[in-house]
Amino acid sequence: DSGVTQTPKHLITATGQRVTLRCSPRSGDLSVYWYQQSLDQGLQFLIQYYNGEERAKGNILERFSAQQFPDLHSELNLSSLELGDSALYFCASSVSWSSGNTIYFGEGSWLTVV
Amino acid sequence: AQSVAQPEDQVNVAEGNPLTVKCTYSVSGNPYLFWYVQYPNRGLQFLLKYITGDNLVKGSYGFEAEFNKSQTSFHLKKPSALVSDSALYFCAVRDLTGGGNKLTFGTGTQLKVEL
Repeated sequence: DSGVTQTPKHLITATGQRVTLRCSPRSGDLSVYWYQQSLDQGLQFLIQYYNGEERAKGNILERFSAQQFPDLHSELNLSSLELGDSALYFCASSVSWSSGNTIYFGEGSWLTVV
Repeated sequence: AQSVAQPEDQVNVAEGNPLTVKCTYSVSGNPYLFWYVQYPNRGLQFLLKYITGDNLVKGSYGFEAEFNKSQTSFHLKKPSALVSDSALYFCAVRDLTGGGNKLTFGTGTQLKVEL
């Protein structure tokens, strides 16, 4: 168990809908990352937050947004869902900004768009 | 941009034999390199990392990795493979481009250990 908690574990929703994925980082970790894993795209970095502030953006669609709250948990919002958004979404966390810190991943949220 | 390459989509090895999963990197500056493993329907589990120091890094579950600067490689190794090692293995590099300090992953190598 990495200590990173993601909910829900599985989610099935229809095209055009909106979902929210939730992440609780490891205790004491200030940085949160979101990744998308799909068969055709592999593991893609979406966005990083550090202590409530956005630090880096990757290949995140405009239909997607995220935030990190004062208690350090994070949410990834996916809207106007399309079939191609079906994927495994990972949250990860690390202690701080240091490049040497290990990033620990949660078990992921499986999203199926039908 | 920082990147890693995993040249083999799949590696097959017999149980008890040594295994190697290959990874090469392309970075500017000092490389911070990581290996993760993903079991079916599970998240990514951290195995080991190279930051600086000894070129041979020891990690979880008996795995180790050898950092080779001249060959820009960071291959994952284990002296004696187990069937339970069968999983998807990812090499990753710390990537500071575009701000942040995210990980950029390779495409993954499926390891299959057979009896």
